[in-house]
Amino acid sequence: DAGVTQSPTHLIKTRGQHVTLRCSPISGHKSVSWYQQVLGQGPQFIFQYYEKEERGRGNFPDRFSARQFPNYSSELNVNALLLGDSALYLCASSFNGGRSGNTIYFGEGSWLTVV
Amino acid sequence: AQKVTQAQTEISVVEKEDVTLDCVYETRDTTYYLFWYKQPPSGELVFLIRRNSFDEQNEISGRYSWNFQKSTSSFNFTITASQVVDSAVYFCALSDLYSGAGSYQLTFGKGTKLSVIP
Repeated sequence: DAGVTQSPTHLIKTRGQHVTLRCSPISGHKSVSWYQQVLGQGPQFIFQYYEKEERGRGNFPDRFSARQFPNYSSELNVNALLLGDSALYLCASSFNGGRSGNTIYFGEGSWLTVV
Repeated sequence: AQKVTQAQTEISVVEKEDVTLDCVYETRDTTYYLFWYKQPPSGELVFLIRRNSFDEQNEISGRYSWNFQKSTSSFNFTITASQVVDSAVYFCALSDLYSGAGSYQLTFGKGTKLSVIP
């Protein structure tokens, strides 16, 4: 079975541009979460979607948005990119959003560099 | 607020040595879950173990073992007879039942970079 897949794996954007990152969860999983990991730090929670509804949002500006599609895949959008948005963006998949301690699986991430 | 502390930023050991990675957590909740993930240079977070707050049994899986002590809010990870392939960044994470409005996000520590020298 395929794991969590993310695209693109690497991308370079210019300040002020917009970026869309994509994620497909593990088959059968209904929840997708997004995390940002800057160099030398642990991942920070951005969003969680479960059954196509936003269920949680971390401390990130409104430039960050996301959505989940009927097939449970998800997009993370970032507008007006700043240099500080350069990071590894990780998508996490779980059956029910982590309830009952369900294991949360991660993809390989999308490396975003803003120049 | 939830917090996970991994005090060791970097550790270097010689191959075949044992190494313990420390993790201390803070939460106000009585029901919570603790995780360890391994992150190789490729970036993917590889799940290693999950433990719930009601299960204080230690666990061993091959060369890996975990020591969960609720009294000290610690969930330490030991690698026995380390190998070069164990070189990676290891993250401890906490998920509690009442994080936010119905969300169950993970709170990560800053990670411990383990280098195993041949």
